[in-house]
Amino acid sequence: QVQVQQWGAGLLRPSETLSLTCAVYGGSFSGFYWSWIRQPPGKGLEWIGEINQSGTTNYSPSLKSRVTISIDTSRNQFSLKLNSVTAADTAVYYCASSRRYIFYNWEYYMDVWGKGTTVTVSS
Amino acid sequence: EIVLTQSPGTLALSPGERATLSCRASQSVTSSYLAWYQQRPGQAPRLLIYGASSRATGIPDRFSGSGSGTDFTLTISRLEPEDFAVFYCQHYGNSLWTFGQGTKVEIK
Repeated sequence: QVQVQQWGAGLLRPSETLSLTCAVYGGSFSGFYWSWIRQPPGKGLEWIGEINQSGTTNYSPSLKSRVTISIDTSRNQFSLKLNSVTAADTAVYYCASSRRYIFYNWEYYMDVWGKGTTVTVSS
Repeated sequence: EIVLTQSPGTLALSPGERATLSCRASQSVTSSYLAWYQQRPGQAPRLLIYGASSRATGIPDRFSGSGSGTDFTLTISRLEPEDFAVFYCQHYGNSLWTFGQGTKVEIK
């Protein structure tokens, strides 16, 4: 059963770069897209972007200018970098699977989630 | 970009009652790309329904999804104590994922 474990710095100062990593274990790394989602305190879910095994990325238009998602297939890991952070980037950040390749078709949902990393941006 | 609007914002019900949650898309969407999630406090979201009406693995049959076009519904037939949470609908389209703003189901 595929699972993910995420980690990264939890406290940043304004203008710094947020960096998080998610490791995939317990199953196939390929045959998925992998996403980052965030949730500001008391608010809803916001998708940040996704990547597949080939390194193809899609990003939220609202964050595209500051986001880079990368993948390390040798370690079954993918990472998020968000530069020039401000207090508005304070949130719980989740990694998750998005799109699963089953029986020669893609299925569109997020069924494997990390536990979340709380990131606080404060001077 | 498609916008998903969920209603109501908050639903106050008692255990055993039926819950009906709505998700409306700003334009017609493909049902295959519509999913529902439950999020309990302090936890990551959990997939409930995908493809608008298919239950995810391990999800009790009191949860059901329906709808097409622009209007989708999540129904919980009889609320159990563990069902009180926030529910989100989600759509994939044009290489983007969007979430509704959520519906909170709270104990009356």
